[in-house]
Amino acid sequence: GESVGLHLPTLSVQEGDNSIINCAYSNSASDYFIWYKQESGKGPQFIIDIRSNMDKRQGQRVTVLLNKTVKHLSLQIAATQPGDSAVYFCAENTGTASKLTFGTGTRLQVML
Amino acid sequence: DAGVTQSPTHLIKTRGQHVTLRCSPISGHKSVSWYQQVLGQGPQFIFQYYEKEERGRGNFPDRFSARQFPNYSSELNVNALLLGDSALYLCASSLEWGSGNEKLFFGSGTQLSVL
Repeated sequence: GESVGLHLPTLSVQEGDNSIINCAYSNSASDYFIWYKQESGKGPQFIIDIRSNMDKRQGQRVTVLLNKTVKHLSLQIAATQPGDSAVYFCAENTGTASKLTFGTGTRLQVML
Repeated sequence: DAGVTQSPTHLIKTRGQHVTLRCSPISGHKSVSWYQQVLGQGPQFIFQYYEKEERGRGNFPDRFSARQFPNYSSELNVNALLLGDSALYLCASSLEWGSGNEKLFFGSGTQLSVL
């Protein structure tokens, strides 16, 4: 079936640099996307979401970009900090139910 | 305010046994969903409940069942446990259901190990 996927399993960045985590989705019917951060031993933590009628949405130090033409989603983290180290998941919702389809995740490692 | 709470945090069972996992949603949230997360993978949808009715079911065998109570808390039951059921079981709650734009808030999960 269709699913959400990620390009890179691990991303290493220097503290203070910007991070970009990418996600490809294959279901053209997806209309709502969420980025989650998961730290070891914890559940996924909501970061930011975007609806399919938007191309960009900004939060505090984070920006999500949606390119529907190529079915691509990205999460940008500005001035990456050690506390940003975690696994990041993109998830999509294709229907009216709260059923999210998650990718396998990208591990972000912040080097001091 | 308390977030989504799950109990127990860790559980060890043997093959063939039965397990019950519990979840309390964020106060005011009426929808509860269950996800299974195998190590190294993203969470997979198991069930969703809203107003005590099942609203969605993922591709899991009938050994998995759930219910939602009048206070909106929920239980996930798994019968005849298999080694492959070892995973982190996540509960998520949302304020609403049906709009397609619900934000899910997750608990810390129950780590189930089947020996």
